[in-house]
Amino acid sequence: DAGVTQSPTHLIKTRGQHVTLRCSPISGHKSVSWYQQVLGQGPQFIFQYYEKEERGRGNFPDRFSARQFPNYSSELNVNALLLGDSALYLCASSPLSGGANVLTFGAGSRLTVL
Amino acid sequence: SQQGEEDPQALSIQEGENATMNCSYKTSINNLQWYRQNSGRGLVHLILIRSNEREKHSGRLRVTLDTSKKSSSLLITASRAADTASYFCATVGGSNYKLTFGKGTLLTVNP
Repeated sequence: DAGVTQSPTHLIKTRGQHVTLRCSPISGHKSVSWYQQVLGQGPQFIFQYYEKEERGRGNFPDRFSARQFPNYSSELNVNALLLGDSALYLCASSPLSGGANVLTFGAGSRLTVL
Repeated sequence: SQQGEEDPQALSIQEGENATMNCSYKTSINNLQWYRQNSGRGLVHLILIRSNEREKHSGRLRVTLDTSKKSSSLLITASRAADTASYFCATVGGSNYKLTFGKGTLLTVNP
């Protein structure tokens, strides 16, 4: 079975641009979470979606948005990019929502903002 | 903001030795999880310990949890070069939908 797949793996943008990152969860997993990992830090929670509804949102500005599609795949959108948005963006899936579930992470999308 | 703090920040040992990493956290938790990350890529789940458990084993891994001290430790026995990675603890608290990660411990196992 395929794991969590993310695309693109690497991308370079300039300040002010917009970016869309995509994630396909493990088959049968209905929950998708997004995390941002700045170099040298641990991942920070951005969003969790379950059954196409937002279940939680971290402390990120409104420039960050996400959605989940009927097939449970997900997109993370970031508008008006800042230099500080440069990071590894990790998507994770789990069968259900809730913290007792173990997350399976994708390899990440590395975003560089110049 | 980070909930957990791992200690030490970096650890270098020889193959065959044991590695111990510690994690402290600030608020009450439902469970605590340990993850491994190789070279800044995706994280791999290692073990989950619930707040009512004190110790858990999985292969060469041993995790302890002391909720009175708000701390956990991860022991890797008989380490191998392939264990070289960053190790993160992550807590699940009242919100119950997110993991709150620490900054991680970079473990280097020298052959």
